[in-house]
Amino acid sequence: QVQLVESGGGVVQPGRSLRLSCAASGSTFSHYGMHWVRQVPGKGLEWVAAIWYDGSNKYYADSVKGRFTISRDNSKNTLYLQMNSLRAEDTAVYYCARRPETTAFDVWGQGTMVTVSS
Amino acid sequence: DIVMTQSPDSLAVSLGERATINCKSSQSLFYSSDNKNYLAWYQQRPGQPPKLLIYWASTRESGVPDRFSGSGSGTEFTLTISSLQAEDVAVYYCHQYYSTPYTFGRGTNLEIK
Repeated sequence: QVQLVESGGGVVQPGRSLRLSCAASGSTFSHYGMHWVRQVPGKGLEWVAAIWYDGSNKYYADSVKGRFTISRDNSKNTLYLQMNSLRAEDTAVYYCARRPETTAFDVWGQGTMVTVSS
Repeated sequence: DIVMTQSPDSLAVSLGERATINCKSSQSLFYSSDNKNYLAWYQQRPGQPPKLLIYWASTRESGVPDRFSGSGSGTEFTLTISSLQAEDVAVYYCHQYYSTPYTFGRGTNLEIK
């Protein structure tokens, strides 16, 4: 059973940093592109960032470009999202999701809540 | 960026009746090199992450009941639930994965009438 488990969320002041992790199990993590998607509670889904299976290419939403960095450690089966210069509008549930070449986002984690507030 | 326009925002359907959700993209999601539409549908129940229902516009994910079907090509797509069940109450999102930034529709809140 493929599973993704996010961690690292919490309450942080504006301008501070936070690093999210997404631990994968049950599949060959290094075969898949991975994504972060966020959702303000009660609102819609917003794609945040993507990284290729080998980490060679990374893509970001304009709203986080220059502040967030996506990375992965295939030896640890873990995806990361380093979030710097956090703003109130970054407050959301952050999901990691797997995207094989043959389908769309087929596996999602349960999400981790990030609250940016003074 | 590709804009995904989903309609309606909310929908109330009687049990056993058909539910139809529409999604339009601001540019074609059809990639001619592989003959695929890069369009997916997700179901999200309260307190849960999204669940993939349909990908490549019309391919049902493994384990998804066959009352769920997807159709369309290019810029216009439809998700149909042929006979609504109580467990289908959820928010449904369309999603384009044709190009980054990937984008989602605003969601359709499906309820029982």
